[in-house]
Amino acid sequence: QQPVQSPQAVILREGEDAVINCSSSKALYSVHWYRQKHGEAPVFLMILLKGGEQKGHEKISASFNEKKQQSSLYLTASQLSYSGTYFCGTGSGGYNKLIFGAGTRLAVHP
Amino acid sequence: DVKVTQSSRYLVKRTGEKVFLECVQDMDHENMFWYRQDPGLGLRLIYFSYDVKMKEKGDIPEGYSVSREKKERFSLILESASTNQTSMYLCASSPPSGLGRQETQYFGPGTRLLVL
Repeated sequence: QQPVQSPQAVILREGEDAVINCSSSKALYSVHWYRQKHGEAPVFLMILLKGGEQKGHEKISASFNEKKQQSSLYLTASQLSYSGTYFCGTGSGGYNKLIFGAGTRLAVHP
Repeated sequence: DVKVTQSSRYLVKRTGEKVFLECVQDMDHENMFWYRQDPGLGLRLIYFSYDVKMKEKGDIPEGYSVSREKKERFSLILESASTNQTSMYLCASSPPSGLGRQETQYFGPGTRLLVL
């Protein structure tokens, strides 16, 4: 079942912070976060594994709450380059197969 | 750097045509995936392959088939294109996962297909 991302869209000024959530109704083994800019391929940001938390990219970090089956992506002191659509992909362990959420559109303005 | 390439960025086809979308990766990855991406729906898995000649259906395989004759190449085939297959198609590859290890997927630039 597709994970639910919230919010669907966010508008920020440069320097502001944002949180994007990803919730699943199934037990999660891993959560993968990607950012996609318009017309480009999704780019991997970070992966969070059950039982751990991993910070992988710029000023972006994330958490993984196993009990709530939820992951949150934290973007601090946003930059114009953070604009794009953020996707979470949830993994159950087999073949690195992921189920992606519908995405959160983030726009950062000067 | 991992490189995943797709044969076309844009493609226009007519209803009923057979359409081939090609994907090539240069990192010797075992796993390869085909997704379609539609506004508001995110990325939905069509098919994936975990080895040469091995394939499994994803969430929306109807109207599609795949071929993997060589490790580096994974083809998506629309047997008889229909207008509801107009979409962005993304290919991805990943190394195999292992005990306690999950690997990420690396995406190609996508093929935007329009079926008239």
